[in-house]
Amino acid sequence: DIVMTQTPLSSPVTLGQPASISCRSSRSLVHRDGNTYLSWFHQRPGQPPRLLIYKISNRFSGVPDRFSGSGAGTDFTLKISRVEAEDVGVYYCMQGTEWETFGQGTKLEIK
Amino acid sequence: QAQLVESGAEVKKPGASVKVSCKASGYTFTGYYMHWVRQAPGQGLEWMGWINPNSGNTKYAQKFQGRVTMTRDTSITTAYMEVSRLTSDDTAVYYCTREDTTLAQGAFDIWGQGTMVTVSS
Repeated sequence: DIVMTQTPLSSPVTLGQPASISCRSSRSLVHRDGNTYLSWFHQRPGQPPRLLIYKISNRFSGVPDRFSGSGAGTDFTLKISRVEAEDVGVYYCMQGTEWETFGQGTKLEIK
Repeated sequence: QAQLVESGAEVKKPGASVKVSCKASGYTFTGYYMHWVRQAPGQGLEWMGWINPNSGNTKYAQKFQGRVTMTRDTSITTAYMEVSRLTSDDTAVYYCTREDTTLAQGAFDIWGQGTMVTVSS
């Protein structure tokens, strides 16, 4: 199974400042069709996750442009250009290339 | 608008089975794979498997093979996920989620509200 490892596991940030979360896979996420199926989700307490990013860098409908995704192969990053109060919660990366596997989650909290 | 509505909370004894339902509305039920993901209290997300509502074909995570069964009833646009031989480790919130493969594999764009399953003697 592909293992997804996120860092950091916890990230205290100041409102208005940037934040970055890394996600590394145990092997390449390049699918035989040439696409890389790496998604990011955000989960607030007591709510289901919501899709932010798919295929590394594509923002899902309605997701603010302060969220961006990048990376290739085995290393991926989610960036928030200016953190807002509503961004608190847990962020998960997930690979969809071979079965599906989630990272452990990164808790974003305000300093 | 498209939505998924899950059945209510369940309390089961160890060794029993539980069946969670997921009612889809607002979109073509047979056009999108349905996945199930669970989350133990205070823990992360764990993928369990999927069902193709059109064909009924399923794929389960290795961890759950032999203990999880996913089915669907297209006449009422509802997906089901049953877990047998429950233990306390199965205490979790169970989510159904739609995969929009026109976007990408793993693009879980709609989620149910979650069903809390508690296993306790």
